[in-house]
Amino acid sequence: AQSVTQLGSHVSVSEGALVLLRCNYSSSVPPYLFWYVQYPNQGLQLLLKYTTGATLVKGINGFEAEFKKSETSFHLTKPSAHMSDAAEYFCAVSVPFGNEKLTFGTGTRLTIIP
Amino acid sequence: DTGVSQDPRHKITKRGQNVTFRCDPISEHNRLYWYRQTLGQGPEFLTYFQNEAQLEKSRLLSDRFSAERPKGSFSTLEIQRTEQGDSAMYLCASSLRSAGKTLNTGELFFGEGSRLTVL
Repeated sequence: AQSVTQLGSHVSVSEGALVLLRCNYSSSVPPYLFWYVQYPNQGLQLLLKYTTGATLVKGINGFEAEFKKSETSFHLTKPSAHMSDAAEYFCAVSVPFGNEKLTFGTGTRLTIIP
Repeated sequence: DTGVSQDPRHKITKRGQNVTFRCDPISEHNRLYWYRQTLGQGPEFLTYFQNEAQLEKSRLLSDRFSAERPKGSFSTLEIQRTEQGDSAMYLCASSLRSAGKTLNTGELFFGEGSRLTVL
């Protein structure tokens, strides 16, 4: 079975500051890892994903994440926060075999301080 | 627009009533998933279809819940005798299973969700 832990249910950063959202996973097989963003009353939008290959993955809106197997982590970063980044962020894990069922973390609400 | 569409977007109902949600996946996608998301939580898996076959159900899917995908295209999720604890966002997602490939694509495409409020 797979699981995801997101450290920090709420994170606040100043506009222009570094964004760091933490995600640790547990998986019995090499995982696929994802970050999704959700704006109020909307569905989930994929920011980025790691399946195989390069461990540093770049996504939309200037976000990137690094898969670190030794630390079982997949933290999300953005060098400079923008007001439009305020949203809920979910880390998720799946496995390469069978279906694409995702197991999500509990989410981190990102607030941007003007 | 060729994304995943869900209907209705919002539903308010009284406790004890039945409700039904519809999901239309991306047209060529043969896999369809339902998730439930309660306030302040991440989405939780409910059930999964490949074509018209329901291949996996979560323990969260009580006997008041039933999902169908009769022709392998759209799907419905019905909740009978709704309870206040059923209030949540119900999310649908789809994916494409490519024949002959061992590894999946890893990507789900989500709809905008159907928000249920049970009074």
